[in-house]
Amino acid sequence: AQTVTQSQPEMSVQEAETVTLSCTYDTSESDYYLFWYKQPPSRQMILVIRQEAYKQQNATENRFSVNFQKAAKSFSLKISDSQLGDAAMYFCAYRSRDDKIIFGKGTRLHILP
Amino acid sequence: GAGVSQSPSNKVTEKGKDVELRCDPISGHTALYWYRQSLGQGLEFLIYFQGNSAPDKSGLPSDRFSAERTGGSVSTLTIQRTQQEDSAVYLCASSFRSPGYRGADSPLHFGNGTRLTVT
Repeated sequence: AQTVTQSQPEMSVQEAETVTLSCTYDTSESDYYLFWYKQPPSRQMILVIRQEAYKQQNATENRFSVNFQKAAKSFSLKISDSQLGDAAMYFCAYRSRDDKIIFGKGTRLHILP
Repeated sequence: GAGVSQSPSNKVTEKGKDVELRCDPISGHTALYWYRQSLGQGLEFLIYFQGNSAPDKSGLPSDRFSAERTGGSVSTLTIQRTQQEDSAVYLCASSFRSPGYRGADSPLHFGNGTRLTVT
């Protein structure tokens, strides 16, 4: 069975600085999707970025980018120029070939003004 | 509807009672997922549906939990003989998936959840 691990329960970053959130996963599949979701205090989940495992190029969405290391089964999220609105819980997620989607336990990100 | 709708938004029940949680996904969304989130914790996978079928029920914590989906639309999560450890926020999400693994798809759209408190 697949697993997703986020080893950093909480992180803090100064406003305008860069922060990297870690995620590792375990799978025997070769083809899958990975995601980062954000959950602000409103509790509404928001997709931040997605990565297809068959694509070698790292996904980028504005200030958000990933470092996808398939062999190491690592999928970290980099947030550049951190803003106060980035404060939230961030979840790494894995979608298997049969469309099951599992999440890590999350990393709470604090932005320091 | 405009988004994923869950009802009730809050439910307080006595230990031992049965509860039903409802999820109304976005129209046309083929996949529907149920997750449980305890206070400040991650999302625990419970079950998901493709159409009316549930390919993976492995996340259901015990045989007190069951779920069904009818007409490829509304889903109900039922918890029988509730226990205090069942207290959590139950989140439903839906997405569109066209046939084929690399078919077009949409991100997960989440409802606002049902906060269940078992006293």
